[in-house]
Amino acid sequence: GAGVSQTPSNKVTEKGKYVELRCDPISGHTALYWYRQSLGQGPEFLIYFQGTGAADDSGLPNDRFFAVRPEGSVSTLKIQRTERGDSAVYLCASSLTSQYEQYFGPGTRLTVT
Amino acid sequence: SQQGEEDPQALSIQEGENATMNCSYKTSINNLQWYRQNSGRGLVHLILIRSNEREKHSGRLRVTLDTSKKSSSLLITASRAADTASYFCALYSSASKIIFGSGTRLSIRP
Repeated sequence: GAGVSQTPSNKVTEKGKYVELRCDPISGHTALYWYRQSLGQGPEFLIYFQGTGAADDSGLPNDRFFAVRPEGSVSTLKIQRTERGDSAVYLCASSLTSQYEQYFGPGTRLTVT
Repeated sequence: SQQGEEDPQALSIQEGENATMNCSYKTSINNLQWYRQNSGRGLVHLILIRSNEREKHSGRLRVTLDTSKKSSSLLITASRAADTASYFCALYSSASKIIFGSGTRLSIRP
C-alpha cells in the first residue's frame, strides 16, 4: 500500500513568510508525529497526534509553530514568521498507534533565505 | 534528559566484518527501536525491543537491551555495501514523546 507522503518535497521561502507543510499518513494509522532534522543530527520531536488531538506538543520550539490534524488523517505543520534557523528537513511519521514502529515520509526540506 | 547517546559517532569497516553500535539513555523506557537512514532519505524501522526483553534478532541484525545499564547495542553481521547509512536509536517512554539519538554513521568499505 501507499506509504507516508509529504508535500512539498522542497520549500524555499523568505524570512518572515508563512509556510505550511503537509503530511499524508498511512491509512488507518491513528498516531502521527512531526520531527525536525538538521544535518548530521537525529530527528528532533516536535508534536504527536493520537487521532485528531495533539497528545504531546512539547517539542514545538515556540508559538510560531502550530500543527493540526482536523479529521484524524492528513496533518499540516504551520510555521509563521519564518526565521533562518527554521531551515531543516521536516519529517512526518505515522504508526498504527503509539509505541509501535513508525513509518516515515521522505521529508520536506525547508530553506529560509 | 532522556536523550539517547550513540557511539561511535562514525564507524568505517571492511565489507564482511561485523558492525556494533551502542545507545545509552538516562530514564525509563517502554521500548527501544532502531532505525536506519540512507543519505537524503526518510528513516526505516529496523527492530523494536521491549523493556522486558534482553535480545532480539532479525536477519543479520541483533539487538540487545540492558535496562540496568540503560544501554542497547545493534550488531550487524557480515556487513554489505548496502548497509552504509546512519543508524539511530529511538527511546519510547511512558510519555508519548519519542527521543532519537544523534546517530552512528556507518561506512562499509568494499
